Amino acid sequence: AQSVAQPEDQVNVAEGNPLTVKCTYSVSGNPYLFWYVQYPNRGLQFLLKYITGDNLVKGSYGFEAEFNKSQTSFHLKKPSALVSDSALYFCAVRVFVNDKIIFGKGTRLHILP
Amino acid sequence: NAGVTQTPKFQVLKTGQSMTLQCAQDMNHEYMSWYRQDPGMGLRLIHYSVGAGITDQGEVPNGYNVSRSTTEDFPLRLLSAAPSQTSVYFCASSYSGEPAYEQYFGPGTRLTVT
Repeated sequence: AQSVAQPEDQVNVAEGNPLTVKCTYSVSGNPYLFWYVQYPNRGLQFLLKYITGDNLVKGSYGFEAEFNKSQTSFHLKKPSALVSDSALYFCAVRVFVNDKIIFGKGTRLHILP
Repeated sequence: NAGVTQTPKFQVLKTGQSMTLQCAQDMNHEYMSWYRQDPGMGLRLIHYSVGAGITDQGEVPNGYNVSRSTTEDFPLRLLSAAPSQTSVYFCASSYSGEPAYEQYFGPGTRLTVT
């Protein structure tokens, strides 16, 4: 079955420290992978995507993500966390065979001042 | 551009009532989708459309109908509301070509079924 997993419900990081939010996927074919962020009482906002090419992709607000085909992972990273990064983060994947875009359950990121 | 708009923002229904959640976009996006967001469940795909006249089921389609008669509009119909449909509903749209599938989300509709 096609799926996206975010193994951590919550991640706590001290401000200024690097952060990682994990995502693994299971789909047939070459995946299109995405990260979105949701601030309280708001809709989701696109952060970055991997389609093809360089395994390290850069996105909005200083975020980047690394695609690892052998580990079927697409972890979100930032070198130095800000309190304003505190939000709910979703990983998503486009299923090639039917064009569905499915999301993980989300990871709540808390940046501690 | 208004982007993706959803109406209403809030709605309370009684069990068995029907209603339509409206979604419109003015970006000429081919791809549109409906998700529901529930605590601990993330976003689950209800229905989606790759273009006018074409719709398909997502992960949780039961109890919901959609149609796509125009590129701009993608309404979601609840035929007979149930308490299990209490949720926040998001509509999203994107291009199918480049920049592929970067979805723009509406502000959401918070639905309560009593």
